[in-house]
Amino acid sequence: AQKITQTQPGMFVQEKEAVTLDCTYDTSDQSYGLFWYKQPSSGEMIFLIYQGSYDEQNATEGRYSLNFQKARKSANLVISASQLGDSAMYFCAMRGRAGTASKLTFGTGTRLQVTL
Amino acid sequence: ETGVTQTPRHLVMGMTNKKSLKCEQHLGHNAMYWYKQSAKKPLELMFVYNFKEQTENNSVPSRFSPECPNSSHLFLHLHTLQPEDSALYLCAVRAGGLEDTQYFGPGTRLTVL
Repeated sequence: AQKITQTQPGMFVQEKEAVTLDCTYDTSDQSYGLFWYKQPSSGEMIFLIYQGSYDEQNATEGRYSLNFQKARKSANLVISASQLGDSAMYFCAMRGRAGTASKLTFGTGTRLQVTL
Repeated sequence: ETGVTQTPRHLVMGMTNKKSLKCEQHLGHNAMYWYKQSAKKPLELMFVYNFKEQTENNSVPSRFSPECPNSSHLFLHLHTLQPEDSALYLCAVRAGGLEDTQYFGPGTRLTVL
C-alpha cells in the first residue's frame, strides 16, 4: 500500500518569496513516481511537476522544483518567487510502477496563501 | 487547457433524479479515471478504464454507474444519490510513457439535495 502525508494544512508566504511545501511518502515499490498538483478554487487539478524514483537529479519546471530525498522518503515542492496566482491547494501524489492502469494516491493537501 | 473537458461544471439534483456526468478527452490516451473529492478528504479513486474496459471499481456504491463507450468519452451515471454524495467529481486521463502522468478535467461540482 502507498501513503502520502502532507503535514501542513495551510501556509502563508509573501509575494516574491520562496516557499516549501512538505510531502513524505511510504511505499514498498522499488519503482514509483511522485507528482505535485495545484488546485485553484475553480476546482481543476493542474499537474505541476514529476519526479521518478530513479531520477538522480531533482525535477524542475520553471518556478517549481522538487526536493527529492529518497532515503528520507520526502518529495517537497519548492515554489520560488511566489505570485498571487499561486494561492491554491497543493496536492502531493504518488503512483507505483508505471504501466497499465497505474493509480495515484493523494495526500490531504496544503492550502497556500500568497500575501502582498 | 489540459485536453480533458467535463460537463456539466455544476449540477444540483434531488435524491430521486437520474443524471449523467460526461468526460471527453482530446489527448488520444487509453486510460481514464473517475475520482471523487469530498470536503476535507483526499481524492478517492472510483473507477478506472483501460482501453474501454473497466479495470478497477474501488468499492463504489451501485448508484454510481460508469460507462466508457469509446476511448474519448467517459460517463458517470447517477441515480438515487444521497446528500453525502455531494462532492467534486474529477475525470483524469493517463498519458502513459515514462512519467505516466494523469491529466485532469475541470471537474463537476455535484450537490445532492
